[in-house]
Amino acid sequence: AQTVTQSQPEMSVQEAETVTLSCTYDTSESDYYLFWYKQPPSRQMILVIRQEAYKQQNATENRFSVNFQKAAKSFSLKISDSQLGDAAMYFCAYRRNNAGGTSYGKLTFGQGTILTVHP
Amino acid sequence: EAGVAQSPRYKIIEKRQSVAFWCNPISGHATLYWYQQILGQGPKLLIQFQNNGVVDDSQLPKDRFSAERLKGVDSTLKIQPAKLEDSAVYLCASSFITARSGNTIYFGEGSWLTVV
Repeated sequence: AQTVTQSQPEMSVQEAETVTLSCTYDTSESDYYLFWYKQPPSRQMILVIRQEAYKQQNATENRFSVNFQKAAKSFSLKISDSQLGDAAMYFCAYRRNNAGGTSYGKLTFGQGTILTVHP
Repeated sequence: EAGVAQSPRYKIIEKRQSVAFWCNPISGHATLYWYQQILGQGPKLLIQFQNNGVVDDSQLPKDRFSAERLKGVDSTLKIQPAKLEDSAVYLCASSFITARSGNTIYFGEGSWLTVV
């Protein structure tokens, strides 16, 4: 079974600074996706960024980037130029790929990291 | 484009009572998920539908939880009888079927359940 671990229950950052959230995972699969989701107090999960395991290049979406280390099974999220609106719970998630199959792997989530942004 | 709709948003019931949550996925999304998120934890999959068939219900407590997706569109999740430990946010999500699993899964705002 796949597991996802986020070892930082809480993190804080000053506005305009950079912060990195950590995530490790365990799987025996070689073909999978990793995701970071943001969950504000409204509880709606919002996709921040995704990484395909077969792609060596780290994904980037504007101020958000990842450091994907497949051998180490590590997937960290870097938020640059932090903004007050970035404050939320962040979840790392894993999804096994089932290319061309008839069923699609579930998202397995970590425990989450609460990010506080100080003005 | 309308998002994933859920109702009711909030529900408070006494233990041993029953409750039902409704979800309307994004139009055209064949896959629908129900997740349970207990306070301070990550969401846990309860059940996954593809069209109106169940793909994964391995973590659904079947003695008290049931779910259906009639006609492959809307879905209902029922809890009967409720226990105190069922207090959680119930998140519905949906997605298209694509060749690979990197497609975006869209989540609703959740239904907050408090069992007293």
